[in-house]
Amino acid sequence: DVKVTQSSRYLVKRTGEKVFLECVQDMDHENMFWYRQDPGLGLRLIYFSYDVKMKEKGDIPEGYSVSREKKERFSLILESASTNQTSMYLCASHRFRQGESSYNSPLHFGNGTRLTVT
Amino acid sequence: AQSVAQPEDQVNVAEGNPLTVKCTYSVSGNPYLFWYVQYPNRGLQFLLKYITGDNLVKGSYGFEAEFNKSQTSFHLKKPSALVSDSALYFCAVRGMDSSYKLIFGSGTRLLVRP
Repeated sequence: DVKVTQSSRYLVKRTGEKVFLECVQDMDHENMFWYRQDPGLGLRLIYFSYDVKMKEKGDIPEGYSVSREKKERFSLILESASTNQTSMYLCASHRFRQGESSYNSPLHFGNGTRLTVT
Repeated sequence: AQSVAQPEDQVNVAEGNPLTVKCTYSVSGNPYLFWYVQYPNRGLQFLLKYITGDNLVKGSYGFEAEFNKSQTSFHLKKPSALVSDSALYFCAVRGMDSSYKLIFGSGTRLLVRP
């Protein structure tokens, strides 16, 4: 089974702090994603990465950055936390395969980090 | 652009009764559709995916999904609900760019009463 591990289940940070959310997957997946989940809005993509040191903006990248120095690890960084970044953050990984099977394979999610910014 | 809609914020059903959680989609090209479940304070667990040519797809925990191309729907179903099925359910469609991201609906909370 794929295991995606997010280092913290709950975090409480102060406005203006720099926050790091860590995610590690153990299946050598190429693609990794950061989503945030808010009630009534579903999941929205913040950033994704398809290879080491490669990153692409998702739908709501403002206020966030990411780092992928090793294939198994994908970090989300809040440069200066704000109260509107209070949310549930979910990391996911996905195996790339040539052809249609990549489109047909699911994302595998971690258990999430619930971040509160006060 | 790819999108999914879950028209119900909440579905209530009695234990033992059949359940349906609705999802409609809009895609250009082949639809790559998925259902996930989320239990409280947990991440998303994959339930099932659409397989081209199968109008009824079976997944985990006794769930299945009915694909209807003319109605552009992919409804999640279970013949007999359990209290333990109470959770948040998300329908998702794969984006058609090179990111392989999933685009999620807003979620439907299923409440199964004893």
